[in-house]
Amino acid sequence: EVQLVESGGGLVHPGESLKLSCAASGFTFSAYRMHWVRQAPGKGLVWVSCIESYGGSTKYADSVKGRFTISRDNAKNTFYLQMNSLRAEDTAVYYCARDGGGLPYWGQGTLVTVSS
Amino acid sequence: QSALTQPRSVSGSPGQSVTISCTGSSNDVGAYNYVSWYQQHPGKAPKLVIYDVTKRPSGVPDRFSGSKSGNTASLTISGLQAEDETDYYCCSYAGTYFVFGGGTKLTVL
Repeated sequence: EVQLVESGGGLVHPGESLKLSCAASGFTFSAYRMHWVRQAPGKGLVWVSCIESYGGSTKYADSVKGRFTISRDNAKNTFYLQMNSLRAEDTAVYYCARDGGGLPYWGQGTLVTVSS
Repeated sequence: QSALTQPRSVSGSPGQSVTISCTGSSNDVGAYNYVSWYQQHPGKAPKLVIYDVTKRPSGVPDRFSGSKSGNTASLTISGLQAEDETDYYCCSYAGTYFVFGGGTKLTVL
């Protein structure tokens, strides 16, 4: 059974940093592109970033480019989102998701709150 | 990186069909056959219902179908059921990024 479990969310002040993790199991992690998608309270889904299976290529939404960094450790079946210079508008539930014909598998989400 | 355009809401009676549109541009929806659709119930993670414009994942009822014409993709739900009432999002690959639509709330009357 495919499982994706996010961790690392919490309450931070504007300008601070936070690192999210997504632990994967039930599939060959190294074979799949992985994504982060966020959803602000009461708002829609917004794609944030993705990383190719081998980790060499990454993509970012303009709203996070230069502030967020996606990475992965295929040996640990885990990928990450390092979020720096956080802003109030980054407040959201962050989901990790696996690629493979759309995004067929999602985690349960982790809440990041940026507030002073 | 502009969000894809979806109607804020659509509605239909049980048993009827509804179609949700998703309009992008020649850089995203019009350029690639990588449009997917997601159903999201409140407080839950999204669920994939259509991928690659027209393909349906295993376990998704054949009442759900997808299509595309030019820069606009569409999700059609036929034989509406009460449990279909929730939010739906489209998503497209755009070469150097992915982009979601703003979401559509489906009401079953």
